[in-house]
Amino acid sequence: EAQVTQNPRYLITVTGKKLTVTCSQNMNHEYMSWYRQDPGLGLRQIYYSMNVEVTDKGDVPEGYKVSRKEKRNFPLILESPSPNQTSLYFCASSIAGTANTEAFFGQGTRLTVV
Amino acid sequence: KQEVTQIPAALSVPEGENLVLNCSFTDSAIYNLQWFRQDPGKGLTSLLLIQSSQREQTSGRLNASLDKSSGRSTLYIAASQPGDSATYLCAPYNYGQNFVFGPGTRLSVLP
Repeated sequence: EAQVTQNPRYLITVTGKKLTVTCSQNMNHEYMSWYRQDPGLGLRQIYYSMNVEVTDKGDVPEGYKVSRKEKRNFPLILESPSPNQTSLYFCASSIAGTANTEAFFGQGTRLTVV
Repeated sequence: KQEVTQIPAALSVPEGENLVLNCSFTDSAIYNLQWFRQDPGKGLTSLLLIQSSQREQTSGRLNASLDKSSGRSTLYIAASQPGDSATYLCAPYNYGQNFVFGPGTRLSVLP
């Protein structure tokens, strides 16, 4: 089954404690991205990756890091989380640049930073 | 940079009504446009994808149209049901900009 898998689904952590949210897709997609969703602000892109070892900033990259060492995985790293990073996070993947490009989303990770 | 708006922001209707949700985007150089459904606190479920060369796409009670030149898409829901209650998001896809999401229309269908 084609899917994007995020882990964990829920996470409560303390300010400053490094964490990683994993994202994996089994569709051999080139393109992967991370979004955060906040009430009243909608979905905003954090980082995206066009392919292995190619990453770029989205609209709200501050406080986040990503890496793309393998095609299937695109982890989101918060080196020193702060309460303003409390949000619902989504990972997405797609093939790149065609009219058939369809975005597939993970189930989301609800992060609370206290 | 692509900007997306959706009207109305919220909609509450009795069961059985036919609905139209609107999406507008500023950059018409899109590959396609995708409509999603999101239940509260949940992930996004893809409903329909319309390629830039298509005018409309249908799936069951859902019909989406696309007017690329004017930067508009509509999602038509026929014979609405309480199970249709959710937030509906549109997302045009521009290569290099990836998917840019609208703020969504929150739909409530009352039994």
